[in-house]
Amino acid sequence: SQQGEEDPQALSIQEGENATMNCSYKTSINNLQWYRQNSGRGLVHLILIRSNEREKHSGRLRVTLDTSKKSSSLLITASRAADTASYFCATVSGTYKYIFGTGTRLKVLA
Amino acid sequence: EAGVAQSPRYKIIEKRQSVAFWCNPISGHATLYWYQQILGQGPKLLIQFQNNGVVDDSQLPKDRFSAERLKGVDSTLKIQPAKLEDSAVYLCASSRGQGAAEAFFGQGTRLTVV
Repeated sequence: SQQGEEDPQALSIQEGENATMNCSYKTSINNLQWYRQNSGRGLVHLILIRSNEREKHSGRLRVTLDTSKKSSSLLITASRAADTASYFCATVSGTYKYIFGTGTRLKVLA
Repeated sequence: EAGVAQSPRYKIIEKRQSVAFWCNPISGHATLYWYQQILGQGPKLLIQFQNNGVVDDSQLPKDRFSAERLKGVDSTLKIQPAKLEDSAVYLCASSRGQGAAEAFFGQGTRLTVV
């Protein structure tokens, strides 16, 4: 079964607005990663946060991790039309097993 | 560095036929994964290899699916016989398999079973 559950399932925003998506998971992790998938393409890695970290930034991306609540959030600031894609969280265990969530479909309107 | 290569990109077969997918991971990546992604869902892990050994195949339908990784490099995933519900994108990924590493994905093979 899928490890992570993401919400919302779908999100539609205007260009320039911020987009926030959340991920909840069930078991202990080594790290948590976020990936983007454009329609019909493979997944692309965005950002990784280790289990002992609480917040990480990369460009317009900000990710938080709360291991006590087994949850993470991804914030994309100043969104662009090119950010339109599906976003997945992936939990990684000590055996380097990547388990993906259900995904959030983001649509950024120009 | 070259990415993860997969072939074919698309495949249409009739139910009960067999099909095979090929994956060439990034050079030096010890860990290789096959995922099944049904339209509108997240990728589901089918099998994980560490070098040429299987780490996890708990979600691989072993009555019809098989996979191997020859010499710890290339891998093939086979379905025999295919069912309608096998229609999906099959994604191959690889990672260094150590430390906090990211996974690199191929473009996937879109399988349609009719």
